[in-house]
Amino acid sequence: AQKITQTQPGMFVQEKEAVTLDCTYDTSDPSYGLFWYKQPSSGEMIFLIYQGSYDQQNATEGRYSLNFQKARKSANLVISASQLGDSAMYFCAMRESSGNNRLAFGKGNQVVVIP
Amino acid sequence: GAVVSQHPSWVICKSGTSVKIECRSLDFQATTMFWYRQFPKQSLMLMATSNEGSKATYEQGVEKDKFLINHASLTLSTLTVTSAHPEDSSFYICSAKGMTGGRSPLHFGNGTRLTVT
Repeated sequence: AQKITQTQPGMFVQEKEAVTLDCTYDTSDPSYGLFWYKQPSSGEMIFLIYQGSYDQQNATEGRYSLNFQKARKSANLVISASQLGDSAMYFCAMRESSGNNRLAFGKGNQVVVIP
Repeated sequence: GAVVSQHPSWVICKSGTSVKIECRSLDFQATTMFWYRQFPKQSLMLMATSNEGSKATYEQGVEKDKFLINHASLTLSTLTVTSAHPEDSSFYICSAKGMTGGRSPLHFGNGTRLTVT
């Protein structure tokens, strides 16, 4: 069964605007962590932001923020003030406490920032 | 920050040969390393979990005799694609987790693009 779902088609976003990337997840584990990674065309995976299942506040890291809605099992990434360098694939991932530190990835969202 | 070095970044080999990919944690000790495979425009699929000093744990459907994993030290894991075939052509990427707590992310290498001719 798919643990992480990212279903949005490729997105074009205007430079300096905000973009929201959707991610829903499925787990019965009460303790888990959610991650967002950025993968530019060069292939490296860049860690962006983390949200723990017990965290009371939504995570923020610079221009990245996470809209965590636990009851709905969603962890959407918001990128504010988009820059041309934000063009990349974005992957949502989950690590369950019962999962031996393994990360399960979604299928990714393609974002293209246009000037 | 934590750095994971993966080598080579790309390799072209002939069908039937073997290819070794190295994954090193440069500034931290990695008790566990993970090997992923990614086809073009697709997600990362976990192949195996490599624990230092013990046998790797392979995901369902991954041939352990095909993809040999060795994690001989706390800073080095290797993936050997044995008797490579064109269908093994893919992007292979390793990741490592340090000894810090559960909030720490996996740190990824830059990946290896394997082309088998």
